[in-house]
Amino acid sequence: GESVGLHLPTLSVQEGDNSIINCAYSNSASDYFIWYKQESGKGPQFIIDIRSNMDKRQGQRVTVLLNKTVKHLSLQIAATQPGDSAVYFCAETPRNAGNMLTFGGGTRLMVKP
Amino acid sequence: GAVVSQHPSWVICKSGTSVKIECRSLDFQATTMFWYRQFPKQSLMLMATSNEGSKATYEQGVEKDKFLINHASLTLSTLTVTSAHPEDSSFYICSARDYSAGHYEQYFGPGTRLTVT
Repeated sequence: GESVGLHLPTLSVQEGDNSIINCAYSNSASDYFIWYKQESGKGPQFIIDIRSNMDKRQGQRVTVLLNKTVKHLSLQIAATQPGDSAVYFCAETPRNAGNMLTFGGGTRLMVKP
Repeated sequence: GAVVSQHPSWVICKSGTSVKIECRSLDFQATTMFWYRQFPKQSLMLMATSNEGSKATYEQGVEKDKFLINHASLTLSTLTVTSAHPEDSSFYICSARDYSAGHYEQYFGPGTRLTVT
């Protein structure tokens, strides 16, 4: 379901290290999941997606893992760069919902040079 | 990839006035567009689903008479914040849905920062 937080959790990593951002979802009917990156003052930018018939999907420097048993989604960023600093949101959509997205609370990633 | 634009990118208005925000899909036709609101340090909250040629569907708690949505063409949806108050100050983001390659994709606009004084 929807998650609204007054304070975004922050993950601080050193440049070059790997980052792992986690997300818990609540709707067991969700079958499509997306990770978005949002930089300050901009709209969300698509990073990677995964369907519920998969448990892992890889992109360029990013990997998404899906654990349907515990309703958990994670985004792994390899060799994190300063340009990766942003807020990351997971989003879910139930099957047959016409791509209507429900966003998670978001995590701020800060990359230290 | 598909591009969605919003206009204006930011606007300051006085309390009691109305503000119109435009959302356009630039290189595809979108029968459905979504409007979100985002307060500082918070996630995106869906306000309404805008369907071309029909009335918008509003989420629970969103006043349809205050947030007027018009989706008059396949490439344009507008959100009008009527009688704006300072608590309406927020970041408004639209997205447009495109159906291609057998599935839906949702593309987001850059957002509009509304400040009501």
